[in-house]
Amino acid sequence: DQQVKQNSPSLSVQEGRISILNCDYTNSMFDYFLWYKKYPAEGPTFLISISSIKDKNEDGRFTVFLNKSAKHLSLHIVPSQPGDSAVYFCAASEGPNRGAQKLVFGQGTRLTINP
Amino acid sequence: GEEVAQTPKHLVRGEGQKAKLYCAPIKGHSYVFWYQQVLKNEFKFLISFQNENVFDETGMPKERFSAKCLPNSPCSLEIQATKLEDSAVYFCASSLQPEQNEKLFFGSGTQLSVL
Repeated sequence: DQQVKQNSPSLSVQEGRISILNCDYTNSMFDYFLWYKKYPAEGPTFLISISSIKDKNEDGRFTVFLNKSAKHLSLHIVPSQPGDSAVYFCAASEGPNRGAQKLVFGQGTRLTINP
Repeated sequence: GEEVAQTPKHLVRGEGQKAKLYCAPIKGHSYVFWYQQVLKNEFKFLISFQNENVFDETGMPKERFSAKCLPNSPCSLEIQATKLEDSAVYFCASSLQPEQNEKLFFGSGTQLSVL
């Protein structure tokens, strides 16, 4: 069963506008959520994370929002830049010692930023 | 080294042959993870190690798959008698501190093609 879902396989956004990527999860035991960015032929790189005790975390142009009651999180990128074009994966984990816990990933959303 | 090094980048095997993949984690990192990505979809967790000890193997197929992390050697993932459905990109990742899940560094992956 798919515990982490990204229902939009792709998203196209104009440069300078806001990109919003969505992610839903079903496992209420998840307590830590992350976004990874992936370019072709490379491994994923960490972008931003959020603990379940928060509802928002911001890092520069990137903001992650968490709605626990809806089991939904979103990643906002503003303003979007051409270099943001990549596949974005949402991931979740549960339990203490987060760096030791396995991540459950969504299927990814391919973001294309148009000049 | 300062990056997770995976070898080989590409591996082609006939069905039924053995495949062995290698991963050198970042020096000093305690945790090593293996993930499988089929058809550019979500990453499936296989196994993790804390140093040379298996930490979590809940994702490992019971048959044909094995993994090791021995001192002073690259970690390895071995598939005996490969099947067509084993075709995937296998990613290795490592982390330094268990409290910091975001510090999970991924290698570039090994593309395994089973013909």
